[in-house]
Amino acid sequence: EAGVTQFPSHSVIEKGQTVTLRCDPISGHDNLYWYRRVMGKEIKFLLHFVKESKQDESGMPNNRFLAERTGGTYSTLKVQPAELEDSGVYFCASSQGTATTSTDTQYFGPGTRLTVL
Amino acid sequence: LAKTTQPISMDSYEGQEVNITCSHNNIATNDYITWYQQFPSQGPRFIIQGYKTKVTNEVASLFIPADRKSSTLSLPRVSLSDTAVYYCLVGAFVLQGGKLIFGQGTELSVKP
Repeated sequence: EAGVTQFPSHSVIEKGQTVTLRCDPISGHDNLYWYRRVMGKEIKFLLHFVKESKQDESGMPNNRFLAERTGGTYSTLKVQPAELEDSGVYFCASSQGTATTSTDTQYFGPGTRLTVL
Repeated sequence: LAKTTQPISMDSYEGQEVNITCSHNNIATNDYITWYQQFPSQGPRFIIQGYKTKVTNEVASLFIPADRKSSTLSLPRVSLSDTAVYYCLVGAFVLQGGKLIFGQGTELSVKP
């Protein structure tokens, strides 16, 4: 079974440009999460989709970030315009979402390393 | 959300047993304890989860005392490939919408 995949693995852009990150979750997983780690900081939650609906976007830093999950399959995270402080590693995770216990294992992708110059 | 405290780094040698302790004094009744492992240039990977007492799987064991204010991840006979960052997370993940709250983690270095 294929794991969570993310594209691109690396992206280098200039300040003010636009970048779109893509995440393909494990097939059949309703829950999709975006996290990021900026240099020297901890991994931080950005938002959570359940199928195509945004369940929680409390971690989105500002309105320069737009996440979509049309059709409830893959998701994109667009940063427009990118700023220097957006540099970091963006992780996507997915989970099945049918657990009845207090947790549902999240499977992470390898991340996209974004560098804004 | 319960805050966790764990050592920033640990060193070990191949073949040794490694125990990483995590403190979570404010753990709530509904909270579970989960450990993730992260290799360089990879995303975090679920290792083990427990609520109380002891849990064991093919990768590790998790020891949780009765008061649940701490937990210990035990890695038996580590190898060089166990060099990674280990995160202790505490929360009632479903109740909090599933999002994971990561701390700084423990950077484990296994030497030959």
